Amino acid sequence: GQNIDQPTEMTATEGAIVQINCTYQTSGFNGLFWYQQHAGEAPTFLSYNVLDGLEEKGRFSSFLSRSKGYSYLLLKELQMKDSASYLCAALDNYGQNFVFGPGTRLSVLP
Amino acid sequence: DTAVSQTPKYLVTQMGNDKSIKCEQNLGHDTMYWYKQDSKKFLKIMFSYNNKELIINETVPNRFSPKSPDKAHLNLHINSLELGDSAVYFCASSPYSGRAAGFSYNEQFFGPGTRLTVL
Repeated sequence: GQNIDQPTEMTATEGAIVQINCTYQTSGFNGLFWYQQHAGEAPTFLSYNVLDGLEEKGRFSSFLSRSKGYSYLLLKELQMKDSASYLCAALDNYGQNFVFGPGTRLSVLP
Repeated sequence: DTAVSQTPKYLVTQMGNDKSIKCEQNLGHDTMYWYKQDSKKFLKIMFSYNNKELIINETVPNRFSPKSPDKAHLNLHINSLELGDSAVYFCASSPYSGRAAGFSYNEQFFGPGTRLTVL
């Protein structure tokens, strides 16, 4: 079966670092995406990992371990505008079907 | 300028009615998708079209019928609307529909969503 798991909610303080974890089980695997979704808005692309290791993009980094079926999104120097839901999505064997996790709602407090 | 657009943004209708949601992308992408996001915020794929051909059809009632007149458009028609159809529906598009250079990279661009409320 296909399953993506993430924590439902997280809270962190402005300026801090937060790590959002994601575990996945899919029929085949062609990469792991992270999306950010603000309330009432569409998801927007943050990162893509297909090889093991860390991809860094400014304040955001994403890590993948294929053997463990595990990824995380690391957000540094948190800002209030980072308060949003973060969706983990795995791309299946055919490279066309995205399976999304439930999303992690991050609240950044002053 | 809009990359992926959907109309309408809000749709309120009675149970039993038939309604359509339109989606257009001006990015020249080959693949388009429809997703449903329910009140618990799960984003679930419903359909995927590649160059006007249906390639994914998840477990969705046959009251939902996608139509792709050309590769820039993917409309969603819903017959006999039910209360459980209330959700936000997102259209998305992506440039690739399969493997490219050994990997399958398929960043998706989402439309603004259509909030459907069935009364």
